[in-house]
Amino acid sequence: EVQLVESGGNVLQPGGSLRLSCAASGFTFDDYAMHWVRQAPGRGLEWVSLISDDGGSTYYADSVKGRFTISRDNRKNSLYLEMSSLRTEDTAMYYCTKEAGYSTFYYAMDVWGQGTTVTVSS
Amino acid sequence: DIQMTQSPASLSASVGDRVTITCQASQDINNYLNWYQQKPGKAPKLLMSAASNLETGVPSRFSGSGSGTNFTFTIISLQPEDIATYFCQQYDGLPPYTFGQGTKLQIK
Repeated sequence: EVQLVESGGNVLQPGGSLRLSCAASGFTFDDYAMHWVRQAPGRGLEWVSLISDDGGSTYYADSVKGRFTISRDNRKNSLYLEMSSLRTEDTAMYYCTKEAGYSTFYYAMDVWGQGTTVTVSS
Repeated sequence: DIQMTQSPASLSASVGDRVTITCQASQDINNYLNWYQQKPGKAPKLLMSAASNLETGVPSRFSGSGSGTNFTFTIISLQPEDIATYFCQQYDGLPPYTFGQGTKLQIK
């Protein structure tokens, strides 16, 4: 069974830092790019970041550029999101998602984790 | 960045009704448009890619159409289990891959 399990969500103050993790199983992890997508409470979906299958290319939403860093460890089948200088507007459920397209062909997100909650509040 | 305008924001319909949701891109995205379903308290699920290609296992009462800037998502005969929020997403070129604002579908 293809599965993504996020962890690391927490409650923290503005300006803080946090590292989210996503454990992947059931597919050949290093064949696929991976994304983070977030959803603020009661709001819509916001694409956050993408990392290529080999980790060599990364992309970010303008709202997180310079503050968040996406990375992956293909030996551990794991995806990460390092978050720093957190703001109240970063409060959201963060989903790890698998790119549907093989290698560098990107077209959809076909597997989603259950999400991990990040709350930034003073 | 490409903006996606989805409408309506909410919709109430009866079981058996035909339901239509639209999504408009701020520029031509060819057919690089996906639709997701999110049930309450759950993660989103990919229903359809490339504007009209149903994912395996998705019921045939769901359909999609469109190209360029205007897209339509249709449920031919609404079922109680279709209660969810639906999102479109564009996937043209490199990121950001923006989502529409979502349409919350309820049973009348």
